[in-house]
Amino acid sequence: EAGVTQSPRYAVLQEGQAVSFWCDPISGHDTLYWYQQPRDQGPQLLVYFRDEAVIDNSQLPSDRFSAVRPKGTNSTLKIQSAKQGDTATYLCASSFGGQGAETLYFGSGTRLTVL
Amino acid sequence: GDSVTQTEGLVTLTEGLPVMLNCTYQSTYSPFLFWYVQHLNEAPKLLLKSFTDNKRPEHQGFHATLHKSSSSFHLQKSSAQLSDSALYYCALSALNAPRFGAGTKLSVKP
Repeated sequence: EAGVTQSPRYAVLQEGQAVSFWCDPISGHDTLYWYQQPRDQGPQLLVYFRDEAVIDNSQLPSDRFSAVRPKGTNSTLKIQSAKQGDTATYLCASSFGGQGAETLYFGSGTRLTVL
Repeated sequence: GDSVTQTEGLVTLTEGLPVMLNCTYQSTYSPFLFWYVQHLNEAPKLLLKSFTDNKRPEHQGFHATLHKSSSSFHLQKSSAQLSDSALYYCALSALNAPRFGAGTKLSVKP
């Protein structure tokens, strides 16, 4: 069974540039999560979906970050006008169900560096 | 809100010694607690999880007991191996997406 797939693996930007991250969850998983993991810190939730609906985006910096999952499968996380503080690894995870007990399956992440 | 505290940023051990990584939490509800492990350049993977008070799940030689009275879920192993060197994250979930602690880096030396 294929795992969670993310692309690109790495991204290097200048401040002010835009970037998109793509995630393909495990087939059949209805819940998809985006986490930001700054260097030497734990994953911090940005947003999560059940099917195509946003369940919680309260931690998403809405002025520059956006996330969609239009058909309840793949998802895109976009950063408009990146800042140096956005430098981090962006992890996508998926699970079946989102009531709290489920195991999250993570992708390998996208390592973003903003210069 | 919900939170997880891991007090040790780095734990360095000699191979064969016991491992104990601390995790305490705060939650309004009765949450699920998880330990995830992240080896170098790999994605985090579930190590074990629990919801039941005083129950001790085990996996790959690691175990953790959820103590609701003290809001703790410490990770233990009787004998560290070199391959246990990794980042360990405690996480909490109460009817929502898991929230992770800052993580503990375990370094096992020969």
